[in-house]
Amino acid sequence: SYVLTQPPSVSVAPGQTAKISCGGNHIGTKRVHWYQQKPGQAPVLVVYDDSDRPSGIPERFSGSNSGNPATLTITKVEAGDEADYYCQVWDNSSDLWVFGGGTKLTVL
Amino acid sequence: QVQLVESGGDVVQPGRSLRLSCAASGFTFSNFGMVWVRQAPGKGLEWVALIWYDGSHKYSADSMKGRFTISRDNSKNTLYLQMNSLRAEDTAVYYCARKKGDIVVGPPANNDGFDIWGQGTMVTVSS
Repeated sequence: SYVLTQPPSVSVAPGQTAKISCGGNHIGTKRVHWYQQKPGQAPVLVVYDDSDRPSGIPERFSGSNSGNPATLTITKVEAGDEADYYCQVWDNSSDLWVFGGGTKLTVL
Repeated sequence: QVQLVESGGDVVQPGRSLRLSCAASGFTFSNFGMVWVRQAPGKGLEWVALIWYDGSHKYSADSMKGRFTISRDNSKNTLYLQMNSLRAEDTAVYYCARKKGDIVVGPPANNDGFDIWGQGTMVTVSS
C-alpha cells in the first residue's frame, strides 16, 4: 500500500520559515493536498493540488511538488501557525486516499 | 453559510452497529463527492470512505471494507456511515468532509482535496 512519510516534528522561531516534507513513491505524479489541524478542531485545507491555496488562506502558506518530497512552506511563521500538518494523496493504483502521519509544528 | 454537521456518535459495545449522519447546508449537496475521515485519540487522520456526488461510485479503506458502508440521500442533503461489527480500534472522532470539485464546473475527480469539514462526532467502542 502507498505510504506518505512526514517528519514527526518541526520547530521554528517566530518570523522564520518552516518547511514540512512529505515523501512518497513517485509523489511528483500525484496531486498533493495539505491540512492544518489545531488541537480540538477539525482539519482545514491550506494547500491543494500541490500549490494552490483556498480562499482565506494567507499567502504565507505555499506548496511545491516537483519531486520527492513534496513540501509545505510557511513563511513568517506566527504563534497561531502552531498545529499538526498532514499531507494527502489519492493512490489511483489501489483507489485509496492516503494521509501522511502528520507533523507537529512548534513555534519556539 | 457552508456547513457540515455530524451526529450519531455514541458509546457502543464491541460487535454492535452504529449509523452516523452528516447534514449539509449552504451549498448544492448533490454536486459534490463526500468522504468520511476518522481520527483515533492522539493519532493522525485516517480516511474511511468516499462516495460520488450521485452515489454511483463508492470507495472505502481496506480495514473497513465489509463492515462500514457509506451512503447519501441527496433529497435530504445528508451523508451516512453505517458501521457494523464495531471493534475497540474503531474508537475515534469521525469527520465528514466535502470533496472539492463541483460537477457543474467539471467532471468528478477522485483526487480532489477536502475543502469543507464538519466538527466531528465521537464514537467509543467499549464493553
